[in-house]
Amino acid sequence: QKEVEQDPGPLSVPEGAIVSLNCTYSNSAFQYFMWYRQYSRKGPELLMYTYSSGNKEDGRFTAQVDKSSKYISLFIRDSQPSDSATYLCAMSSSGGSYIPTFGRGTSLIVHP
Amino acid sequence: DGGITQSPKYLFRKEGQNVTLSCEQNLNHDAMYWYRQDPGQGLRLIYYSQIVNDFQKGDIAEGYSVSREKKESFPLTVTSAQKNPTAFYLCATEGDSSYEQYFGPGTRLTVT
Repeated sequence: QKEVEQDPGPLSVPEGAIVSLNCTYSNSAFQYFMWYRQYSRKGPELLMYTYSSGNKEDGRFTAQVDKSSKYISLFIRDSQPSDSATYLCAMSSSGGSYIPTFGRGTSLIVHP
Repeated sequence: DGGITQSPKYLFRKEGQNVTLSCEQNLNHDAMYWYRQDPGQGLRLIYYSQIVNDFQKGDIAEGYSVSREKKESFPLTVTSAQKNPTAFYLCATEGDSSYEQYFGPGTRLTVT
């Protein structure tokens, strides 16, 4: 079993839909949970991060962490065609090495 | 204009040849990373360096080599020993917040 599992998709939704992207993990030492967005043929960029459990909101984006279930989510409200990209979750522990472990990425397509 | 530059964007080589990928940063970050990305595989860590003149192997270091003679530069050499070198290579730095990584635009290497 991989440390971080993420469904590669693709996930295709109509414009305006609420999108839910998810990752599960097995390492209980993970404390930092990140979401990166990667457009085609570009490098990833950090979208949001959460420390430990809870929710974090930034505009149309909400990140949720449920440590008891080892499950994290990224919600995108009022999705736009410009949101079409690959979304990678990443996680790291707070002690020792901070090197993140990445999920495979989920390809999202928002069609007009 | 601060950031990470990777050159070239596209690189073509014949099998059996070594090739060096460039990564330069002017963000004044200490830690730098090299990742490999294959379709549906997410990011896999090749090498990382936390300070000048020091670097560590990542999960898939075989067939690769690096140097870190300057803080700004972290070149990656893909040697002929790397069995399947065709991939998208990403260089990253670590920001002041350890969980945050900044990525370059990537180099797509094709070996035939």
